[in-house]
Amino acid sequence: EVQLVESGGGLVQPGGSLRLSCAASGFTFSSYWMHWVRQAPGKGLVWVSRINSDGSSTSYADSVKGRFTISRDNAKNTLYLQMNSLRAEDTAVYYCARVQNSRFPNTAATDYWGQGTLVTVSS
Amino acid sequence: SYELTQPLSVSVALGQTARITCGGNNIGSKNVHWYQQKPGQAPVLVIYRDSNRPSGIPERFSGSNSGNTATLTISRAQAGDEADYYCQVWDSIHVVFGGGTKLTVL
Repeated sequence: EVQLVESGGGLVQPGGSLRLSCAASGFTFSSYWMHWVRQAPGKGLVWVSRINSDGSSTSYADSVKGRFTISRDNAKNTLYLQMNSLRAEDTAVYYCARVQNSRFPNTAATDYWGQGTLVTVSS
Repeated sequence: SYELTQPLSVSVALGQTARITCGGNNIGSKNVHWYQQKPGQAPVLVIYRDSNRPSGIPERFSGSNSGNTATLTISRAQAGDEADYYCQVWDSIHVVFGGGTKLTVL
């Protein structure tokens, strides 16, 4: 059974940092692209970042570029999101999600999602 | 940047057909994916690549995509289909979600 379990969320002051983790199990983690997607309270889904299967390629939403860093440790089956210079508008539930296995992962759907971890940026 | 436009809300009578649209410039040239999200839960993929259903998704869910509009169709709507629905595409190296549509089953 595919499982994605996020951790690391919490309350942080504006300008602070936080590192989210996503522990993956039930599939060959090193074969899949992964995303981070966030959802502010009462709002819609917003894509944050993605990483390819070996970690050599990443992309970011303009709103987090230069502040957030996505990475992965395939030996530990874990995805990370390092978040620096946090702002109030970064407050959201952060989901890690798996990109569907495909010859063209950069057009593929997201087939499994974790339950999310809440990040609150407030003084 | 690429934008996807969804109606804020759609209502459907129990047992009838609901259609949720997703508008985008020449969206017919892209692969469109649809997600269902119920309150307090993570999203669930219901349609991928315009019209394909993942295993476990009822045949009542179908999709189409042409021109500037993609459509998620839910036939014989049930109370359990009440949820937020999001369309999604890739725009070059970025992923784009629509704003979401709240489906109400009356």
